[in-house]
Amino acid sequence: KAGVTQTPRYLIKTRGQQVTLSCSPISGHRSVSWYQQTPGQGLQFLFEYFSETQRNKGNFPGRFSGRQFSNSRSEMNVSTLELGDSALYLCASSLGGSRTMNTEAFFGQGTRLTVV
Amino acid sequence: ILNVEQSPQSLHVQEGDSTNFTCSFPSSNFYALHWYRWETAKSPEALFVMTLNGDEKKKGRISATLNTKEGYSYLYIKGSQPEDSATYLCAFEHRDSWGKLQFGAGTQVVVTP
Repeated sequence: KAGVTQTPRYLIKTRGQQVTLSCSPISGHRSVSWYQQTPGQGLQFLFEYFSETQRNKGNFPGRFSGRQFSNSRSEMNVSTLELGDSALYLCASSLGGSRTMNTEAFFGQGTRLTVV
Repeated sequence: ILNVEQSPQSLHVQEGDSTNFTCSFPSSNFYALHWYRWETAKSPEALFVMTLNGDEKKKGRISATLNTKEGYSYLYIKGSQPEDSATYLCAFEHRDSWGKLQFGAGTQVVVTP
């Protein structure tokens, strides 16, 4: 069973540009969440998508957006990049169908974004 | 803002010794508490998802307990081995936003031979 796949693994962008990161969940998983980790910070929740709908949202500015496709694959977009957006971005998938389902998250290896 | 606190921030353990550390979380509106292990250059790996007060879970030499009334969970490592070296993260799920994991900053464990 394939794990969670994130592409690209590494990315260098210039301030002001925009970037799109991709996440393919484990087959059968319908929930995809995105997290940011910066040096000295824990994992910060960005948003969660389930069945193409944003179900939960973290406290990030509107420059951070995402979407989910009908095959559960998800993309995250960051517009007008700032130096502080340099981070490891992790995506995680889970079954996530209902309250009674296990919400154990399976993580991808992440995309390391560097903004210069 | 919900605070998930982990202590200590780091600890060094001799091979063969046992150790434990704590995760504190809000005691109200509890849905689930997760534990993950994150080794360098790898992805975070789920250890346990705990949902009931008094829950005790075990995987090999690692076990965890949960007290939702007072808002804490302990993770125990028995007979630590160098391969246990990792950052251990706990994550809280609020009843009204299940699916959203709020992580603590982690406890970094270094096991020396």
